[in-house]
Amino acid sequence: GAVVSQHPSWVICKSGTSVKIECRSLDFQATTMFWYRQFPKQSLMLMATSNEGSKATYEQGVEKDKFLINHASLTLSTLTVTSAHPEDSSFYICSARDLAGVGNEQFFGPGTRLTVL
Amino acid sequence: DAKTTQPPSMDCAEGRAANLPCNHSTISGNEYVYWYRQIHSQGPQYIIHGLKNNETNEMASLIITEDRKSSTLILPHATLRDTAVYYCIVRVVNQGAQKLVFGQGTRLTINP
Repeated sequence: GAVVSQHPSWVICKSGTSVKIECRSLDFQATTMFWYRQFPKQSLMLMATSNEGSKATYEQGVEKDKFLINHASLTLSTLTVTSAHPEDSSFYICSARDLAGVGNEQFFGPGTRLTVL
Repeated sequence: DAKTTQPPSMDCAEGRAANLPCNHSTISGNEYVYWYRQIHSQGPQYIIHGLKNNETNEMASLIITEDRKSSTLILPHATLRDTAVYYCIVRVVNQGAQKLVFGQGTRLTINP
């Protein structure tokens, strides 16, 4: 089945540092990947759509200079939280669409829990 | 973009069928209904999707009304591991990127 991995699964960092999160589609190719953020007891909020080889499309209210997205290959997208602050602490989840899937199913990674001290 | 309405929470006894409703009265003709679930502190898991016809797979069945304004996800024999938040999503199309937008979902609790 289609598997999406994320690394790291959790990270703790100091305020002001940058954190990179990787998202990989392990057994399929994905021209499009998505990044979500989820605060405790809330639903997933779409942050941006990442397209391989082009610039990401950010949702309204999401700072593109703070959340840098790179989608360099058909199996890898990265999200870098720059100059992280405690309010950036959240559960970050990526997903990828299987190009070969009949219904274009979107599969999700296990998430990365970021804690900024 | 079509939005969905789901009850915030539901309970079901283990071994019984869990029926989760979803209203999507503004759905467009080419929009699919997707169901995902999220177990605590994990990424969402795809369950099933459909356009018009009822669908069934190894996890669940999806019943879509004839006017497509509502649907029901059925877990035929619920187990404790089915306790999760279930999201009914209508897939939107925006600038060629078909993204999934999550609502608040239904928190389903399976009781022993």
